[in-house]
Amino acid sequence: EAGVVQSPRYKIIEKKQPVAFWCNPISGHNTLYWYRQNLGQGPELLIRYENEEAVDDSQLPKDRFSAERLKGVDSTLKIQPAELGDSAVYLCASSLQLNSGANVLTFGAGSRLTVL
Amino acid sequence: GENVEQHPSTLSVQEGDSAVIKCTYSDSASNYFPWYKQELGKRPQLIIDIRSNVGEKKDQRIAVTLNKTAKHFSLHITETQPEDSAVYFCAASIRGYQKVTFGIGTKLQVIP
Repeated sequence: EAGVVQSPRYKIIEKKQPVAFWCNPISGHNTLYWYRQNLGQGPELLIRYENEEAVDDSQLPKDRFSAERLKGVDSTLKIQPAELGDSAVYLCASSLQLNSGANVLTFGAGSRLTVL
Repeated sequence: GENVEQHPSTLSVQEGDSAVIKCTYSDSASNYFPWYKQELGKRPQLIIDIRSNVGEKKDQRIAVTLNKTAKHFSLHITETQPEDSAVYFCAASIRGYQKVTFGIGTKLQVIP
């Protein structure tokens, strides 16, 4: 099993340019998360999907960020236009709730964004 | 919403000593507490977790304790080794509800 796959791994853009990140979750995981991790900080949730429905996007800066999860599988996260403060690692994770109710997240390798 | 506080932010220990990382949470409904380890340049990976109906859980050199009354939980690493050097994140969630809130992380350095 490939795990959670993200691309690109690294992206350098100038401010005001658009950027998009792609995530392929583990097969069968119905919950998908996008987290942003700033240097030296913990992951901060941007958006969470249950299948194709965005159930928690309260932390997503909707003026410039957008996300979609077509057919409840792959997901894309877009930033347009990017700002200097958007430089961070964007982590995608997926989960399958166990019978115990435990919610174990599997993370992708992340997409490191640098905005110049 | 849930708020998870974690300390210390950095921790240096001599190889063989023990390390303790502490977290507190705010939402009394939280009942599942995982710990993730993130090595430099790598993705966070689950190392151990605990549910609220358990006070302590151990897996070889790592253990977690939970105090529901005080709303805090801790990670204990004994006989530390250089490969334990990483950033450790605590998290809290409600079983059956998929939202997971992370602490800011503790950078652990094990000095050989």
